[in-house]
Amino acid sequence: AAGVIQSPRHLIKEKRETATLKCYPIPRHDTVYWYQQGPGQDPQFLISFYEKMQSDKGSIPDRFSAQQFSDYHSELNMSSLELGDSALYFCASSGWSGNQETQYFGPGTRLLVL
Amino acid sequence: AQSVTQLGSHVSVSEGALVLLRCNYSSSVPPYLFWYVQYPNQGLQLLLKYTTGATLVKGINGFEAEFKKSETSFHLTKPSAHMSDAAEYFCAVQGGSEKLVFGKGTKLTVNP
Repeated sequence: AAGVIQSPRHLIKEKRETATLKCYPIPRHDTVYWYQQGPGQDPQFLISFYEKMQSDKGSIPDRFSAQQFSDYHSELNMSSLELGDSALYFCASSGWSGNQETQYFGPGTRLLVL
Repeated sequence: AQSVTQLGSHVSVSEGALVLLRCNYSSSVPPYLFWYVQYPNQGLQLLLKYTTGATLVKGINGFEAEFKKSETSFHLTKPSAHMSDAAEYFCAVQGGSEKLVFGKGTKLTVNP
């Protein structure tokens, strides 16, 4: 079965640079979630989109923005990167009829800021 | 607001022994509860979930969990541990909004 696809899988950036993370949800899923997992930490919710509209917002820095496109893929844009942004960024999707509450996670993008 | 407490950041068991990972939750609304497993350098894989109905839920790889409302608990168990079960396990709650709130995780070590 198709899973959530994230790209790139690994990313190395310098401080103050910009990064864009992409997420392709499971086909027919209309909701996308972004989570950040710092080293040795639990995943923290950043933001979510339902039918291309922002549906919820968590502890996402103002330097970050995200959107969901007409094909339901989503991008997380991160500017003025800081060392503390180094983390594993997960995308999850949901929306399958009868199983709507379940979020299926992608493999994550590991971001290292130097 | 929702929160999750996982008792024990590290649990060590012998191969073949019972696995018990503890999770207590707090939720202002009837919660949905999940257990996810994370292998090193990998993503989060759903083990099992409770939404409504039967309070004992069975998941993949022989794991099961029981929702106990009176104890606000959702402990994860497996009768016999395998070496391949070594991983980090996260309990998560969903309630009121769709976002998942995770516990701090429990790292399971299985000794031969």
